[in-house]
Amino acid sequence: DAGVIQSPRHEVTEMGQEVTLRCKPISGHDYLFWYRQTMMRGLELLIYFNNNVPIDDSGMPEDRFSAKMPNASFSTLKIQPSEPRDSAVYFCASSFRAGGYGYTFGSGTRLTVV
Amino acid sequence: ILNVEQSPQSLHVQEGDSTNFTCSFPSSNFYALHWYRWETAKSPEALFVMTLNGDEKKKGRISATLNTKEGYSYLYIKGSQPEDSATYLCAFIGDNFNKFYFGSGTKLNVKP
Repeated sequence: DAGVIQSPRHEVTEMGQEVTLRCKPISGHDYLFWYRQTMMRGLELLIYFNNNVPIDDSGMPEDRFSAKMPNASFSTLKIQPSEPRDSAVYFCASSFRAGGYGYTFGSGTRLTVV
Repeated sequence: ILNVEQSPQSLHVQEGDSTNFTCSFPSSNFYALHWYRWETAKSPEALFVMTLNGDEKKKGRISATLNTKEGYSYLYIKGSQPEDSATYLCAFIGDNFNKFYFGSGTKLNVKP
């Protein structure tokens, strides 16, 4: 298995633009997580899905952020409009059962908003 | 707000030194503790999943212990090598089985 695949690896965009980050979880994993990593706050959970259904989005910073999981093999995290303070590394992770067993991170997307 | 703390924040050791660092977490509603190794420009890689009080896990030169009653876990590296240089993260999982609370990590630098 290729692991959790995220794209793009790097994204540079101008303030106000829409940004879409993509994630393909490991096949058979029922849970998918989106994290944001910054120097100030470390690794923060934004939202997680179970069987494609959003379960907890309490970590999503504001309405400009949205996440979808239209099927078991694909999820997106969208920021619209983007702001410079959104610059961070965004990680996707998946696991095959509750409690994080088989928890695997993707390589991350480094987002820079200028 | 749930607090997971790691210490020290950073550590510089010489090749061959043994080292250890700490993860502190709430002692109530414990479900599991994960340790990750995170190299620069890569994604976190799982080291250990610990669930039982008194658990000890080992992977090569790296080992970890768990005390859920007092809320801490230690990670030990015996005979550090330059390739051990990374940030070591712990993550606490409580009664919400899918919410990981990460510490801020211990950044280890091993000098040849």
